[in-house]
Amino acid sequence: DTGVSQDPRHKITKRGQNVTFRCDPISEHNRLYWYRQTLGQGPEFLTYFQNEAQLEKSRLLSDRFSAERPKGSFSTLEIQRTEQGDSAMYLCASSQWDGTDTQYFGPGTRLTVL
Amino acid sequence: GIQVEQSPPDLILQEGANSTLRCNFSDSVNNLQWFHQNPWGQLINLFYIPSGTKQNGRLSATTVATERYSLLYISSSQTTDSGVYFCAVGSSASKIIFGSGTRLSIRP
Repeated sequence: DTGVSQDPRHKITKRGQNVTFRCDPISEHNRLYWYRQTLGQGPEFLTYFQNEAQLEKSRLLSDRFSAERPKGSFSTLEIQRTEQGDSAMYLCASSQWDGTDTQYFGPGTRLTVL
Repeated sequence: GIQVEQSPPDLILQEGANSTLRCNFSDSVNNLQWFHQNPWGQLINLFYIPSGTKQNGRLSATTVATERYSLLYISSSQTTDSGVYFCAVGSSASKIIFGSGTRLSIRP
């Protein structure tokens, strides 16, 4: 069990650029979540997948944000036309739905938009 | 939506002390989890506990769903217990809402 991994760990970009983050969940987990965390706050839910289906999206997820999980394994989160307000830690978590939903988090990708 | 309040916001203790962290929530939940975020930012799941009591070593948690609160107990604190403790709750079995956390500092 290698845990949840995320890539890259850090990303610095200029305003207006597009960025893409990757998350590899724990291999047998069928659920995958994306969260955003800003300094001093708890993580905020963005979206989640069960297998390859995106089942829920937060209103925080503007049309500049898109997430995919094409084969029900890894997932990508893309932010188009980045803004300074997008600067945050982007966290991925996975779980195996078996009547409980214990979520295991990756180390996060820290995005800085200049 | 569900509101989550954690108390206290900050707690400073000497090594070896015991502590109780509280999480109040505004509506019925069927998903409640406690997490520890260490000083390097990694979130570790401590308990999945929508009701009842669980124990894991020096840590234990109790959720009283009918009264809409959960407690996390840490006994014999160690410096490695420092960090932020989050409670997260949900009324569905998927989306969870995090509280603002309790920042715990353990002094040697």
